[in-house]
Amino acid sequence: DAGITQSPRYKITETGRQVTLMCHQTWSHSYMFWYRQDLGHGLRLIYYSAAADITDKGEVPDGYVVSRSKTENFPLTLESATRSQTSVYFCASSESGPVGYTFGSGTRLTVV
Amino acid sequence: AQSVTQLGSHVSVSEGALVLLRCNYSSSVPPYLFWYVQYPNQGLQLLLKYTTGATLVKGINGFEAEFKKSETSFHLTKPSAHMSDAAEYFCASSGGYQKVTFGTGTKLQVIP
Repeated sequence: DAGITQSPRYKITETGRQVTLMCHQTWSHSYMFWYRQDLGHGLRLIYYSAAADITDKGEVPDGYVVSRSKTENFPLTLESATRSQTSVYFCASSESGPVGYTFGSGTRLTVV
Repeated sequence: AQSVTQLGSHVSVSEGALVLLRCNYSSSVPPYLFWYVQYPNQGLQLLLKYTTGATLVKGINGFEAEFKKSETSFHLTKPSAHMSDAAEYFCASSGGYQKVTFGTGTKLQVIP
């Protein structure tokens, strides 16, 4: 299916565990982004990528790691999950220029 | 640095009434401005965008927004609210770079 797919949709993990959230897009968009959405904070940028093998930190990168070996995939890893990382995570992609983002459906992560 | 302020975290309107969601931006450069809509348990969807040119922009679902540089505003309007408009709306801006800054969102309730 064309689009941007996030998996899993829901995840419960324990404090201290490593967890990876997956994001896959089929448009070959250059840019990909990871945001977290929390009540009262709106969306905050965690990491973004301008192309394969090019990534950069956003507003709240601590505790997260990303990679982008292929244009279509942009996984987000929580190295050692903490309760403060309980959130809804959104992946987005876009072409170059002010064209707006296309968002995935999100992953709701709960850290217990 | 970009910042976006959405006035009112919750707005209620009657079905058929005017929808007005307020957004003010802060930017040191001419901004690109966006409105997104988020339905429950879904990702964000682009409603409309302003880049250059005409300051009144029309989007999907009958929404429109006007860029007013003198007021640093980009308010979203719809002449007549429909029940299906109930959702959360996010204003966003970028300063010519690919990264976008989001406001904290406004939940629109439509009363039958």
